[in-house]
Amino acid sequence: GQNIDQPTEMTATEGAIVQINCTYQTSGFNGLFWYQQHAGEAPTFLSYNVLDGLEEKGRFSSFLSRSKGYSYLLLKELQMKDSASYLCAVMGDNYGQNFVFGPGTRLSVLP
Amino acid sequence: DGGITQSPKYLFRKEGQNVTLSCEQNLNHDAMYWYRQDPGQGLRLIYYSQIVNDFQKGDIAEGYSVSREKKESFPLTVTSAQKNPTAFYLCASSTQGAGNQPQHFGDGTRLSIL
Repeated sequence: GQNIDQPTEMTATEGAIVQINCTYQTSGFNGLFWYQQHAGEAPTFLSYNVLDGLEEKGRFSSFLSRSKGYSYLLLKELQMKDSASYLCAVMGDNYGQNFVFGPGTRLSVLP
Repeated sequence: DGGITQSPKYLFRKEGQNVTLSCEQNLNHDAMYWYRQDPGQGLRLIYYSQIVNDFQKGDIAEGYSVSREKKESFPLTVTSAQKNPTAFYLCASSTQGAGNQPQHFGDGTRLSIL
């Protein structure tokens, strides 16, 4: 079967750093995506990892360990506008057929 | 600008009624998808299409139907057989077969029962 786990909710303070974890078990692996979704809006693409290691994009970084089935999204210098849900998604075999989303982590940034 | 357009933004369904959600994209993407999102949950795949005139069931296809007569369009019909249709519906598209290409999403349609 296929399964992706993320913490349900997290809280952090403006200006701080937060790490959102994602563990996965999927049939095949063709990459892991992170999306940001504000309430009532469409998910927007943040990052993509297919090889082990860290990918950095401004205030956001994403890490992947394929052997451990583990990824994290690191958000630095948190801003109030970062309050949103963060979705981890894995592309397994057959691409679209096996594009599985995790339940999402709702992040609240407090002043 | 290129993108995905979903309409309507809000939709209400009466008991026993079929309703159709529209999804149009001008990104020249081959693959299109429909997801359902319930409060506090992730996205669940309803149907997807990799090419015109072909589509495949996802994890929760029962009570839904789709068509793909044009590359740009992938409408979703929520039939009366879907007993719990209240949810947020998202349409997405992507470049077919490219592992590093993310899915692009429309703004969603929120469906409620009257």
